[in-house]
Amino acid sequence: KAGVTQTPRYLIKTRGQQVTLSCSPISGHRSVSWYQQTPGQGLQFLFEYFSETQRNKGNFPGRFSGRQFSNSRSEMNVSTLELGDSALYLCASSPAGVYEQYFGPGTRLTVT
Amino acid sequence: GENVGLHLPTLSVQEGDNSIINCAYSNSASDYFIWYKQESGKGPQFIIDIRSNMDKRQGQRVTVLLNKTVKHLSLQIAATQPGDSAVYFCAEKAAGNKLTFGGGTRVLVKP
Repeated sequence: KAGVTQTPRYLIKTRGQQVTLSCSPISGHRSVSWYQQTPGQGLQFLFEYFSETQRNKGNFPGRFSGRQFSNSRSEMNVSTLELGDSALYLCASSPAGVYEQYFGPGTRLTVT
Repeated sequence: GENVGLHLPTLSVQEGDNSIINCAYSNSASDYFIWYKQESGKGPQFIIDIRSNMDKRQGQRVTVLLNKTVKHLSLQIAATQPGDSAVYFCAEKAAGNKLTFGGGTRVLVKP
């Protein structure tokens, strides 16, 4: 089975812009979670989607949003980018009823 | 890599020796725990998991121990190899499917 894929792998944006990141889960996995990883804060949970519905949400401002499509693919959007949004954004998928999460390689976002 | 600059505790171990990585978790309601390995430039990779109704679980060259009394988790790697050099994270799950990650431990294997 193909693993979790994320596009793009690298992205450079300027402050004030918005960005959309994409995640394709492992085939058959219906849950997709997003995490932000930074040197200062480590890995932090953003949100989780299951069957096109947001099921859990972390403590991030409303500038961070996401959605999931009927084929389980997910996107996350960050509006009005700030320098502090520079991070590795990781997507993880898991099958229904299983807690083990499988991570993609991440999208490295740099905000200048 | 993503962990450059982060002051991570570092465990230096001789190739062939056993490694023990420790993790203190915060939520007594957590019912599921995972260890992940993250190599530079890659996403975290699942190593082993354990449910709160167990205190020990073994995999291939790895063992996870859970002590709920003191909220402590450890990962033991037997016969550590150069390919084991990475950052290791423990994660706990309480309600929902949200994982809360520890800060990570860097393991450096000396040849």
